[in-house]
Amino acid sequence: DVKVTQSSRYLVKRTGEKVFLECVQDMDHENMFWYRQDPGLGLRLIYFSYDVKMKEKGDIPEGYSVSREKKERFSLILESASTNQTSMYLCASTPGGGNQPQHFGDGTRLSIL
Amino acid sequence: RKEVEQDPGPFNVPEGATVAFNCTYSNSASQSFFWYRQDCRKEPKLLMSVYSSGNEDGRFTAQLNRASQYISLLIRDSKLSDSATYLCVVISNTNAGKSTFGDGTTLTVKP
Repeated sequence: DVKVTQSSRYLVKRTGEKVFLECVQDMDHENMFWYRQDPGLGLRLIYFSYDVKMKEKGDIPEGYSVSREKKERFSLILESASTNQTSMYLCASTPGGGNQPQHFGDGTRLSIL
Repeated sequence: RKEVEQDPGPFNVPEGATVAFNCTYSNSASQSFFWYRQDCRKEPKLLMSVYSSGNEDGRFTAQLNRASQYISLLIRDSKLSDSATYLCVVISNTNAGKSTFGDGTTLTVKP
């Protein structure tokens, strides 16, 4: 079974802090994704990566950056956290080649005070 | 118009009922289709893929209608444990292979 592990289930940070959310997958997947999910807005893609050191903007990249130094790890960074970034953050991965379903981590519920 | 649209519901049905959800997609180049299940405050989990010929997994049946650009999920003999939000997912080769998620349909099965 694919295992996607997110570093924290719950996280509380303060406005202006730099926040790191970590995601690790153990299936040698090429593609990794970061989403946020808010009530009534569904899943929104923040950033994704098709390979090490590669990154692509998703639909809502503003206020976020990512890092993929190793194939198994994809980090989401909130450069200066704001209250409107309070959300559920979900990491997912798929093998390369497209047309494969995504496998999600447990999610991180982030609160910015 | 959203690329993938679902009726948000909620669908409230009694145990044992049959319930069906539809999901429409706008990109005719879409290639792959899936249904996910998401429980409250949990991550989405793959329920089943949707194949052109239709496919069944126990009480769940998924169908694809390419001409009308929709997929469906039928749940027979609903159980209390089927209560969840069901997300349809579409992958198109013209969208760099990214998945497009519907916003989900909420199902509540009542005793």
